[in-house]
Amino acid sequence: EPEVTQTPSHQVTQMGQEVILRCVPISNHLYFYWYRQILGQKVEFLVSFYNNEISEKSEIFDDQFSVERPDGSNFTLKIRSTKLEDSAMYFCASNDANAYEQYFGPGTRLTVT
Amino acid sequence: DQQVKQNSPSLSVQEGRISILNCDYTNSMFDYFLWYKKYPAEGPTFLISISSIKDKNEDGRFTVFLNKSAKHLSLHIVPSQPGDSAVYFCAASARWTSGGSNYKLTFGKGTLLTVNP
Repeated sequence: EPEVTQTPSHQVTQMGQEVILRCVPISNHLYFYWYRQILGQKVEFLVSFYNNEISEKSEIFDDQFSVERPDGSNFTLKIRSTKLEDSAMYFCASNDANAYEQYFGPGTRLTVT
Repeated sequence: DQQVKQNSPSLSVQEGRISILNCDYTNSMFDYFLWYKKYPAEGPTFLISISSIKDKNEDGRFTVFLNKSAKHLSLHIVPSQPGDSAVYFCAASARWTSGGSNYKLTFGKGTLLTVNP
C-alpha cells in the first residue's frame, strides 16, 4: 500500500541552524501539506502546496519557513534559523484530486538545543 | 482558539463494549469532518469521515454521527478491541469554501482510548 515517507525520523540541531525536513508523498497525489505537533499540544497546520506554489499558510509559517518540491517526488520543509520553540513533531501529508482524506507520514521529531 | 474541541482527554472501555468519542466545533464554515487514529511515534492514520450533508457514515466497526445544529460529532467503535487503543483525533475542514481538494485540517487535542482485555 502506498505511503508517505519522511526523513530523518529524528533531527537534533542547535538554535540558529538551518534544517531541511524531507518528505516523499504518495506518487499520484497532487496536494501536499506540513503540520506540526508540539509535545502535549494539538496537531497544527503549517502550509499547503499545490501546483508548485503555496496555497495557504498559517501564522506559524513565517519568513523562517519555506517549502519546495525540487523534483517529481520530494517535498521539503526548510527552517532557516531554528528556535527552541520549533522543537516539535513535523508531519507531511498528501491527498489526490478526488480524495477527501489526507494521508500522513510517520513524522520527523525536531529537537532544537 | 479552539475551533475543534475534544473535551475528554482519555476514555477507558472494556473489550467488546462500545467506545464513544466526542468532538465539538465552533466554526460554522466547517463542512467536512474526519477522525484519525494515532499510535505513539507514528503519524495520524485516517479512519473515517463525514460530509456536512450527511448525519451518519459507517465503515465496519466505526460509525461517525454528525449533529450540525449542535455542532457536534461522535465516533462509535463497536465492538472495541485492544488494538483500538490509541489517541483519536477529530479534524475539520472548510473544504467547499476553500475550493477543490486543497484544504487545511483543524485538529482537536485528541482523546486517548484504552481498551482493556
